[in-house]
Amino acid sequence: GAGVSQTPSNKVTEKGKYVELRCDPISGHTALYWYRQSLGQGPEFLIYFQGTGAADDSGLPNDRFFAVRPEGSVSTLKIQRTERGDSAVYLCASSPGGAVRGAFFGQGTRLTVV
Amino acid sequence: KNEVEQSPQNLTAQEGEFITINCSYSVGISALHWLQQHPGGGIVSLFMLSSGKKKHGRLIATINIQEKHSSLHITASHPRDSAVYICAVTSYNTDKLIFGTGTRLQVFP
Repeated sequence: GAGVSQTPSNKVTEKGKYVELRCDPISGHTALYWYRQSLGQGPEFLIYFQGTGAADDSGLPNDRFFAVRPEGSVSTLKIQRTERGDSAVYLCASSPGGAVRGAFFGQGTRLTVV
Repeated sequence: KNEVEQSPQNLTAQEGEFITINCSYSVGISALHWLQQHPGGGIVSLFMLSSGKKKHGRLIATINIQEKHSSLHITASHPRDSAVYICAVTSYNTDKLIFGTGTRLQVFP
């Protein structure tokens, strides 16, 4: 596609449920990033993929969060046993070869846990 | 202390005014990015720079590596410039972006 696509754009879920957020990067981009942005804050790093492997997952807040990119393109961020504090906008970005070469962002998924 | 600090946090201006947003960082970087985020919208990259100055239309970005400081200038501001402007850096030892908290700009007609 022309840009980074994230689905769904909005997700409302009940506390304790499992959610999956999808990111479809720009074709050919090897690097993919997940960030989380709480209201009034700048985005916070979650995880970075180079190809299929997670090059840096130091930002994942706890073991309820997990992300995969099995074929080196589409990535899924998975959150188990959601909590109200997980409510935020989850942003995905892709890059042709690392953030130093520029990152292209999706529109984000707004997750609300009620 | 955040690794990337922006000032001011909020900024209001009248149409036509010259605007400056500042960014200071405390880590060694390979690049600095200026990004724009509209309410409810995604993030758009405005500039990526590692030295000197870049200009695009009414936007100018400068960086001083020795002082670890960058500025984003908007000349002849317009209400459509109203957005959150975010500074982010790519540090030497990792390939992730480290973000500032953003500057919320409102330009009134």
